[in-house]
Formats: sequence, structure tokens, C-alpha cells
Amino acid sequence: AQSVTQLGSHVSVSEGALVLLRCNYSSSVPPYLFWYVQYPNQGLQLLLKYTSAATLVKGINGFEAEFKKSETSFHLTKPSAHMSDAAEYFCAVSDWKGSARQLTFGSGTQLTVLP
Amino acid sequence: DAGITQSPRYKITETGRQVTLMCHQTWSHSYMFWYRQDLGHGLRLIYYSAAADITDKGEVPDGYVVSRSKTENFPLTLESATRSQTSVYFCASSTIGTGALNEQFFGPGTRLTVL
Repeated sequence: AQSVTQLGSHVSVSEGALVLLRCNYSSSVPPYLFWYVQYPNQGLQLLLKYTSAATLVKGINGFEAEFKKSETSFHLTKPSAHMSDAAEYFCAVSDWKGSARQLTFGSGTQLTVLP
Repeated sequence: DAGITQSPRYKITETGRQVTLMCHQTWSHSYMFWYRQDLGHGLRLIYYSAAADITDKGEVPDGYVVSRSKTENFPLTLESATRSQTSVYFCASSTIGTGALNEQFFGPGTRLTVL
């Protein structure tokens, strides 16, 4: 079964600093990988997804992620953090189980942006 | 309103009571999903449905029942609520499973407390 591991349950950065949220995957086949963001008291919103078309994936709100097969990683980055980026971020992998492709989520990383 | 909605948004109940959480989507998506979100666990799949009258178990189905008589609705029932079912529940929908081109769209969640 495929899985993802998010390193660091809490990350704090200063406004304007680089954001780096780590995600490593475990998969025996080329994975489909996703990053979702959850703002307080809201559902999850898709940031970006990797579908093997390109290793560097650009998403919404200035975020991007790079798929590195040699490192089994799909880390999320943003060059300059904004206060509005404070949220919880989830990495997920898509896998066929039963009659559907299902998402398996990491445990999440809470991002705090300091003024 | 268009989109995916959940009701109620907040619910407090007692151990042993039956509780039903509602999910409604207006996109006519084929697939619908129920997740629970607990601290340190990310989101875990409870049940999913590929179409009306087709449902299947996810990772943590015990203690839950689902039905899907209409494409747009996917209620989740806790037949006899337990304290361990205190959680935030998210409903999601997608067009064709969770394949490379199909993201899941999430509702705002229901916060359930079982006393």
C-alpha cells in the first residue's frame, strides 16, 4: 500500500521567508501525489498535484512542489511567506483500492507565519 | 447554493445515540467520500460511494453506516455513537474516483462531540 510521511507537525516561518514543507512517499509504482491546504474551520482545498507530466508542479497562491524520485520526496515550497498562508497542509497519495482511486493522507503540517 | 454542503456543522450527542450527518453536492459527481479527521492522523477514509446504490468500506468503517439512494446525497450514520467517534467529519466528491485528472472537493466539515 502506498503511504506518505510528513516531516514536522509544526513549522514556523517569518513573513517573507521561504516556506518548506516536507513530504516523502512510499510507492512501488509511479505515484499520483497531491498537496491540500486547510484553513481554520474549513474543508480541504487542492493546492497542486503531480501526475508525472512534469517534475516541478506549480499550484495556487505561489506554491510549488518538486517530485524527486531518487529521494521519494514531494516537498512543498513557497519563496516568500504571507500571513495568509497560515494553515494546515496535507500531502496525499492516490492509490487504487476497491472500486476507486482513494487518497491516503499524511498527518499534516501546521504552518505558522510570524510577523 | 452550488458546491458541497454538510449539515449540521456542529453536533453534540451522547454515547449510544444514533446520529446522522448529511452531505449534499450539486455537481452530479459520481464519487463521494466520508473522512474523519483526528489530531495526528490526518484524514482517514470511512466509506465511499462510486454511484447511487454503490458503497464500499474505507480504512475505518466500523460503527458507521452509509447509504446513497440519490447521486447528490451521501448520509453517514453512527448507529450507536461512542466517545471514540468524537471527530471532525468531512465529505468529499469527485468526478471519476481520484485519478490523475480528478481532484476531490471537500465540504466544510461537521464537528461531532460524543459525551
